[in-house]
This record gives sequence, C-alpha cells and structure tokens, in this order.
Amino acid sequence: DVKVTQSSRYLVKRTGEKVFLECVQDMDHENMFWYRQDPGLGLRLIYFSYDVKMKEKGDIPEGYSVSREKKERFSLILESASTNQTSMYLCASSLPGAGNEQYFGPGTRLTVT
Amino acid sequence: GQQVMQIPQYQHVQEGEDFTTYCNSSTTLSNIQWYKQRPGGHPVFLIQLVKSGEVKKQKRLTFQFGEAKKNSSLHITATQTTDVGTYFCARPPFFGNEKLTFGTGTRLTIIP
Repeated sequence: DVKVTQSSRYLVKRTGEKVFLECVQDMDHENMFWYRQDPGLGLRLIYFSYDVKMKEKGDIPEGYSVSREKKERFSLILESASTNQTSMYLCASSLPGAGNEQYFGPGTRLTVT
Repeated sequence: GQQVMQIPQYQHVQEGEDFTTYCNSSTTLSNIQWYKQRPGGHPVFLIQLVKSGEVKKQKRLTFQFGEAKKNSSLHITATQTTDVGTYFCARPPFFGNEKLTFGTGTRLTIIP
C-alpha cells in the first residue's frame, strides 16, 4: 500500500513567519505534488517535482517555494506566511507518466493569524 | 491550466435516490480520472477511463467516457450514507508535464 504522510494535520502560524510543510512517500514515486484546497475552488496545484532537485511551477506558485533533496521527501515552504494562505494543503505522489493516478496524504490545515 | 468544468457544485439527495456528476472539457482528453474525498479526508483514486465511449462499473457506481472524449460522468445508483463526499474528475495535461488538472468537484450530501 502506498503511504503518503504529512508532518502535521493542523498548524497555526503568525503572519510573516516562515512555514515548512513536509511530505514523505514510501513507494519510490518519481512525481510529487503540492496542492491547496479551498471551498468552491477545488484542488489547485502549487508546485510539482518529477525528480530529485527538479521542480516546476503549478497554477498558483506565488508566495511558495519547494525543496526536493531526496526522492521520498517534498517540502513546501511559505517564505512569509500571509492570511490568504490559510488553507488545506495536500501532498500527493505518483509514478512517472502523464495522467498516472495520484496518492494523497492526509492534508495539513494551516491557519495564518 | 485549463480547468475541467464539473457540475453540479452541490447535490443533496434522499438516501436511495440516484446521483450523477458531470465533467466537461472543450478539448479532447486522452483519459480522465475520478477521485472521491470523504468529509475530513483526502482524495482517493476511484478509476481511470481511457477509451472513447468506455463504461466501467464499480458496484453501484457507473463511470462513462463520452464518444468524443470530451466529457465524462459518474452515476451512483441508490445512494447510501457511505457515498457522502466530494467527487472530483481530473484530466492529464494536453502536452508536456506530469500534472493533473482537477475539476472543482461535486459535493454530495445524503438526507437519511
């Protein structure tokens, strides 16, 4: 069974803080993704990575950066958290190939006050 | 990326009634995937459709891919409380990279 874990289920941070969200997968998947989910907007892709140290911007990368130093770990970084980044953050992984099914982690609900 | 239109956004049904959600694209898709997210949970892959006109069934769930490969539907027969959640379709990129583009989802609630 594929397992994708995220470092926190709930996180509360202050405006301006640097925030790290960690994601780890145990299936040796090449692809990893970060999404945010907001009511009425569905899942929006922030960044994805198709290999170690490789990354591509998704649809809403502004205000975020990512790091992938090891194949199993993909980190999302909020350089200076703002209240409009309050959201549910979901990490996913998949095998290579366009359109392969994605396996999601449990999500991190981030609140920025 | 170009969004996949998904309707309706919300659907409330009496337990035992049927439910259908639709995904529409303005361009031909190579395949389409469906995911389910239970309340408080994360999206879980249900199925992938690849062929024109394809129909697949999973117990009370029927998935269809249109003949033109521009639309897809998920139909649930005789809904049960376990069907509660949000159903997303997702399409692969038209070219290039590895990402999926998700529809906005249909949130299903069941009235017991």
